[in-house]
Amino acid sequence: QKEVEQNSGPLSVPEGAIASLNCTYSDRGSQSFFWYRQYSGKSPELIMSIYSNGDKEDGRFTAQLNKASQYVSLLIRDSQPSDSATYLCAVNIEGNTPLVFGKGTRLSVIA
Amino acid sequence: DAMVIQNPRYQVTQFGKPVTLSCSQTLNHNVMYWYQQKSSQAPKLLFHYYDKDFNNEADTPDNFQSRRPNTSFCFLDIRSPGLGDAAMYLCATSRTGTSLNEQFFGPGTRLTVL
Repeated sequence: QKEVEQNSGPLSVPEGAIASLNCTYSDRGSQSFFWYRQYSGKSPELIMSIYSNGDKEDGRFTAQLNKASQYVSLLIRDSQPSDSATYLCAVNIEGNTPLVFGKGTRLSVIA
Repeated sequence: DAMVIQNPRYQVTQFGKPVTLSCSQTLNHNVMYWYQQKSSQAPKLLFHYYDKDFNNEADTPDNFQSRRPNTSFCFLDIRSPGLGDAAMYLCATSRTGTSLNEQFFGPGTRLTVL
């Protein structure tokens, strides 16, 4: 069973703080990793993709990948109330197979 | 702008009355997916097409069918909707041959069953 695990939250952080969202995956051969943001009642929006170990930064977002530990995280710096959403972690296990999604972590940024 | 379009955005149907949801894309992606998402749950894959090759998930109910008449369009047919089929239906696309296999979602269709 290929699994992607996330803490469902809610994760509450004050405005301006760093939000840290975590994801673990079961299949050691997984190749690429994605973070989607989903606002209530809306569809998932791709915000970060990563496939190499280490950090990848895009604006206030940093994705971190550690394949040895089977762990991927998303850091959101200077969190804003508009970042309040559910964040879905998704993993490409093998080649051109469909992504496996975690259940998502609900983030609440408090003004 | 290249995008994934879903119609209608909101669909109300009656118990047992067939309904068709549509998806189109201008990304020229060869893979298209249909997901069902219920409140506070992860998207659940129903079907996907690699080009014309249809792939049905093992636990997708027989009540759900799909058609892809060409590269740009894909349809989800629910033959006899039940109350449990009320959900957001998401279409997504991706392109094979890329290293990342990024997948992009349309805005979704919210289905209500009365």
